[in-house]
Order: sequence, then C-alpha cells, then structure tokens
Amino acid sequence: DAGVIQSPRHEVTEMGQEVTLRCKPISGHDYLFWYRQTMMRGLELLIYFNNNVPIDDSGMPEDRFSAKMPNASFSTLKIQPSEPRDSAVYFCASSFGGYTEAFFGQGTRLTVV
Amino acid sequence: QKEVEQDPGPLSVPEGAIVSLNCTYSNSAFQYFMWYRQYSRKGPELLMYTYSSGNKEDGRFTAQVDKSSKYISLFIRDSQPSDSATYLCAMKSVDNNDMRFGAGTRLTVKP
Repeated sequence: DAGVIQSPRHEVTEMGQEVTLRCKPISGHDYLFWYRQTMMRGLELLIYFNNNVPIDDSGMPEDRFSAKMPNASFSTLKIQPSEPRDSAVYFCASSFGGYTEAFFGQGTRLTVV
Repeated sequence: QKEVEQDPGPLSVPEGAIVSLNCTYSNSAFQYFMWYRQYSRKGPELLMYTYSSGNKEDGRFTAQVDKSSKYISLFIRDSQPSDSATYLCAMKSVDNNDMRFGAGTRLTVKP
C-alpha cells in the first residue's frame, strides 16, 4: 500500500479564496483524522471520521472550515474563505479500529497571502 | 495548563549519547501512550506504542509510562545522526479517539 496520500503537497493562495485539501486513506482503514500543525500550537486534531461518518468536529476552528468523506477512500478539507492565519501544515491520518497506530500522510503546506 | 506538556527543546547531543525525552499530562483517563518521530517536512511516524503503565523496549528505544506520576519517557541508546528529528508524545483515552499531542522536542545528534 502506498500509505496515506495527500494532495496537493503545497498550496499558496490569496486571502478570500477557497482551498480544498484532499486525502486518500490506507485501504481498509475505518478511521480518518485531519490535523493541523503550526509552530505556535503544535499538532491539533480538527475532525475525525469513523466509517465515513464525522464523529467529532469540535476541533474545527470556524465555520469557514468543513470536511467531508463521501466514501471510504476519499476525504476533503475545505476552507472558504481562507485567511492568512490558516497558514499551516495540514495532515491527514488513518487507522484501523481507532486504538491502533495512526498512519500520517506527508501533509499539505498551506500558505495564505 | 495544556493537557500534554513537552519541552520543545531544542536538544543537541553527541553521537552515541543516551537521550531522554519526556512528557507530562493532566488527564488521568489517558490509557494509550505513543511516541512519534517526525523528520523535517514529513508526516509523523509511530515509533513506540504502549498501553497503560510499564516499559516497552524496541532495539535502541525504550518507552516508559508512569501513570501515578502522569509522566512518560522515551530513551534512545547509542544515538545516531539519523535519529535527528522532532519527537512527539501522544496519548488518548479508551472512550475517545481524540489523540492529544505534545509540542514535540527537536533533537539533533551530532557526529
């Protein structure tokens, strides 16, 4: 398996634009997590899904953020409209069963100017 | 007070040294304790995984959990330049899949 695949690897966008980050979890994994990493706040959980259903979105910072998982092999994190303070590295991770190892993707480095 | 506290360092040691990395936590419900290693511009990868208290050894790496003190440690023996990375502790409770991470400690092992 190729691991968790995220796209794009880098994204530079202007303030106010819509940004969509994509994630393909490892096949067979039933949990999918979206994290954000910044120097100031470290690694923060934004939302996680179990069997494509959002379980906890309490970490989503604002209504500008939304996440979907239309099927077991694809998830998106959307920011609309984007702001400079959204600049961070966004990671997607997946696991089987929830209490086993979470495998992380390579991350998407987002810069909002 | 943060739920998980970890000294961000940076920590610099000579090759061959024993490295000790630590985290403290406040949530007594945490039962699963992990150490992740993150190389620059890469995603975190799991290094050690421990359930409840005790020690776990894997090669040059030893993880210790002391639930009474709410304190976990990662020891690296015979450290190598390839161990240079950021080490993040992480933990979660039985009834919640929300994994809480420490800030990460940046380690440099100098040849």
